[in-house]
Amino acid sequence: SQELEQSPQSLIVQEGKNLTINCTSSKTLYGLYWYKQKYGEGLIFLMMLQKGGEEKSHEKITAKLDEKKQQSSLHITASQPSHAGIYLCGADTGYSSASKIIFGSGTRLSIRP
Amino acid sequence: DAGVTQSPTHLIKTRGQQVTLRCSPKSGHDTVSWYQQALGQGPQFIFQYYEEEERQRGNFPDRFSGHQFPNYSSELNVNALLLGDSALYLCASSLDILREQYFGPGTRLTVT
Repeated sequence: SQELEQSPQSLIVQEGKNLTINCTSSKTLYGLYWYKQKYGEGLIFLMMLQKGGEEKSHEKITAKLDEKKQQSSLHITASQPSHAGIYLCGADTGYSSASKIIFGSGTRLSIRP
Repeated sequence: DAGVTQSPTHLIKTRGQQVTLRCSPKSGHDTVSWYQQALGQGPQFIFQYYEEEERQRGNFPDRFSGHQFPNYSSELNVNALLLGDSALYLCASSLDILREQYFGPGTRLTVT
């Protein structure tokens, strides 16, 4: 079965600094989601990557999917307190339509003022 | 445009009882998936409904059942509650062919 490993498990970053979160899959990905979650709340959709080498950006967050479609990274530039939370990567297991997502265990990000 | 909504927000039940959680998908979405998230872990897939039928199911016992209505809203039912069923239950909706799944705020279930 497919597994996702996220690193690091937790991260404390000085406000204004850049950071990167990594997600590695045991199998080739049909698609890769990035979500953000505030403690105990629902998941906020950040972006979905489907093509090898694809890169997407939203405000100060950039996500990339490698050419082999087994690794993804999430990069935050000039971090702010609003970026604090848990970042989850999820593997889209569907071949052609919406399907179950297998999630990593998450990266807990704290921003130090 | 309303996003995914879930009710209730919080729920406290006793072992052995039954519970029903509700989800209304984002406008225009036809597919609903349910996930269970235990504290400190990523969400685990329970099942997915499309065209009022269960299309996929994760590794959860038959105590977990669901339903999708003609208006695409969905219910999750859990029978014979166990302490281990305490978790955040998340609903996600999508338009089948577009794949992107959007999550609701979740229902926090506590079993005592």
